[in-house]
Amino acid sequence: QVTLKESGPALVKPTQTLTLTCTFSGFSLSTNGMRVSWIRQPPGRALEWLARIDWNGDKLYSTSLKTRLTISKDTSRNQVVLTMTNMDPDDTATYYCARGQHLLGTLNDWGQGTLVTVSS
Amino acid sequence: QAVVTQEPTLTVSPGGTVTLTCGSSTGPVTSGHYPYWFQQKPGQAPRSLIYDTSNKHSWTPARFSGSLLGGKAALTLSGAQPEDEADYYCLLFYSNGRAGVFGGGTKLTVL
Repeated sequence: QVTLKESGPALVKPTQTLTLTCTFSGFSLSTNGMRVSWIRQPPGRALEWLARIDWNGDKLYSTSLKTRLTISKDTSRNQVVLTMTNMDPDDTATYYCARGQHLLGTLNDWGQGTLVTVSS
Repeated sequence: QAVVTQEPTLTVSPGGTVTLTCGSSTGPVTSGHYPYWFQQKPGQAPRSLIYDTSNKHSWTPARFSGSLLGGKAALTLSGAQPEDEADYYCLLFYSNGRAGVFGGGTKLTVL
């Protein structure tokens, strides 16, 4: 059974750096074809794709946010970490991580999401 | 960054058929955008329905299908059920599949 869970601060101040961790079970990110992505959703608004890391270390980023994002993986701990710099109130959102597999869908299994509020 | 457009709202009668579309500001949507479709109900995480234009998951109800239609990606629901009332999002990939962009979502009402 595949599970993913996002963790991180519920509240960050403007200009701070956000660090979110996706801890997963039921698969290994060292398995050929596996990938983990981050997606966010501001309250009452649409989904936004943020970043993805693949089993081979390849990293993909949102064109509009790539200067602020860093994605990394710790295969031994079954974790994927996303950092976002220079947080702004507009970054208030529920942040999700999701698992996919090459050729079988990129966002097949989702975590429950974690709400991050940016406020001073 | 490209803009992905969807109908903001659609309504379908129970048992009816409706097609949701997904367009791109950069031009026609093709299989090279690897179109995805997701369903999201209130208070829940999204659920993937369709990947790579028309591929279904094992959990995708048979009444949902994906295609390319008139330069857009399309999600067709045939035989709508009350439980299909939800928000639907499409996702396209750009730059040789290296950057994803979601559409603004379609709120589907079954009434």
